[in-house]
Amino acid sequence: AQKITQTQPGMFVQEKEAVTLDCTYDTSDQSYGLFWYKQPSSGEMIFLIYQGSYDEQNATEGRYSLNFQKARKSANLVISASQLGDSAMYFCAMREEFTGGFKTIFGAGTRLFVKA
Amino acid sequence: DTAVSQTPKYLVTQMGNDKSIKCEQNLGHDTMYWYKQDSKKFLKIMFSYNNKELIINETVPNRFSPKSPDKAHLNLHINSLELGDSAVYFCASSQLRLAERGTQYFGPGTRLLVL
Repeated sequence: AQKITQTQPGMFVQEKEAVTLDCTYDTSDQSYGLFWYKQPSSGEMIFLIYQGSYDEQNATEGRYSLNFQKARKSANLVISASQLGDSAMYFCAMREEFTGGFKTIFGAGTRLFVKA
Repeated sequence: DTAVSQTPKYLVTQMGNDKSIKCEQNLGHDTMYWYKQDSKKFLKIMFSYNNKELIINETVPNRFSPKSPDKAHLNLHINSLELGDSAVYFCASSQLRLAERGTQYFGPGTRLLVL
C-alpha cells in the first residue's frame, strides 16, 4: 500500500498566484515527520519544509507553508505568490521509525508549471 | 562549502562493466543513504549507514554493494551493470537524533547510463 500519496501528477499555476500541492500519508506511528522537497530541472533535491507529528502549528518557511491536518492524514504544501523559478517536481515524504533508525518514504511527486 | 558531494556526476558505461560512485558529506551527520531515481522520477531508498553500520538494506540486487569507510563517506559499487541500472543515484545524509528531525540533505546526483 502506498504510504505517501500525491494525487496530482501535474499542476499549472499563474505567476503570482498561490498553489496547493496535495499529499496524504498512511502510518500507525504516533511520532513521525513530514517533509517537502523540490527538484528543479537541474536535478538536485532541495529540502523545503518540515512538519513534526506533534507540532501544533503549521510549519512555514518563507513562501512555503504546510497545511497539516493530522486527523485527515494530509500534509499539503502551499506556495504563495508563485514565481517562474518554482516550476519543478515537488516530493512529499514521511519519516518513519524502525528498529535501529529512521527511513524516509517519498511520494511519486507533482510536477508544477508556473505560467507567466 | 558545507554539502553532500558525489562523483562522478555523469557515468556512461557498457553493460557488464563494474563501476563505483563516491559520496562525501561535511555536514557532520551520522547517517548516509543511497537512493535510486528511475525515469519516472520515483525515488527509492537502497541503503543506509549509521556511523559506518548498515541499517537499511532494501531489496536491491547483490550486484550493488555499499561501503562506508567512515561516517563522512559512503560509496556504491555496482558489478556487472545491466540496462535496467540506468537511473540517477542520489546520496543523502542526515542526523539520526530525533531532535534533528532526520531531514535529509542530498548530493547533486549521479546520472548513470548503461549502454
